[in-house]
Amino acid sequence: AQSVTQLDSQVPVFEEAPVELRCNYSSSVSVYLFWYVQYPNQGLQLLLKYLSGSTLVKGINGFEAEFNKSQTSFHLRKPSVHISDTAEYFCAVSAGETSGSRLTFGEGTQLTVNP
Amino acid sequence: DSGVTQTPKHLITATGQRVTLRCSPRSGDLSVYWYQQSLDQGLQFLIQYYNGEERAKGNILERFSAQQFPDLHSELNLSSLELGDSALYFCASSFSTARNSPLHFGNGTRLTVT
Repeated sequence: AQSVTQLDSQVPVFEEAPVELRCNYSSSVSVYLFWYVQYPNQGLQLLLKYLSGSTLVKGINGFEAEFNKSQTSFHLRKPSVHISDTAEYFCAVSAGETSGSRLTFGEGTQLTVNP
Repeated sequence: DSGVTQTPKHLITATGQRVTLRCSPRSGDLSVYWYQQSLDQGLQFLIQYYNGEERAKGNILERFSAQQFPDLHSELNLSSLELGDSALYFCASSFSTARNSPLHFGNGTRLTVT
């Protein structure tokens, strides 16, 4: 079975500072990895995904993530955050052919960008 | 806008009651998923349908049931409601069941059981 651990439940940063949201996964088979963002009172929106190929994945809103197989990590980064990036961020995994398209989510990281 | 529509947005009901949550998937998507989001359990996968057939089951209670209709909309039925069922229920859809088929989420139905 697969699992996802988001190492920080809350990350406060100042506007224009860089940020990294950490995600580790556990799986004995090949994985597809995703980051989703949830703004207040909204559903989850796909930020980016790693399926195969280049380990550095670029997403929407200036976010990027790096897949590291040896460290079983998929950390999300942004070089300079804005107030509007304040939201909850979820890392998710689809592991193994039997899981199909359904995802297992981490517990979420609340990113708060302060002026 | 993800294209996934969930109704109602909010639902307040009493313990012991039964409710139905409705989801219309994005145009062209054949697969529908239901997730429950609560403070203590996070996002939990409940059930998945593909083209009218149940595809996968997660942590769905026996008091809960779902179905996908021929027009591909889906309903999640919650019965004998308990206080602990209060949560945000999300529907998501995808084109296929392939692992590279991303999920598109609706804005959720917030259920409050009093």
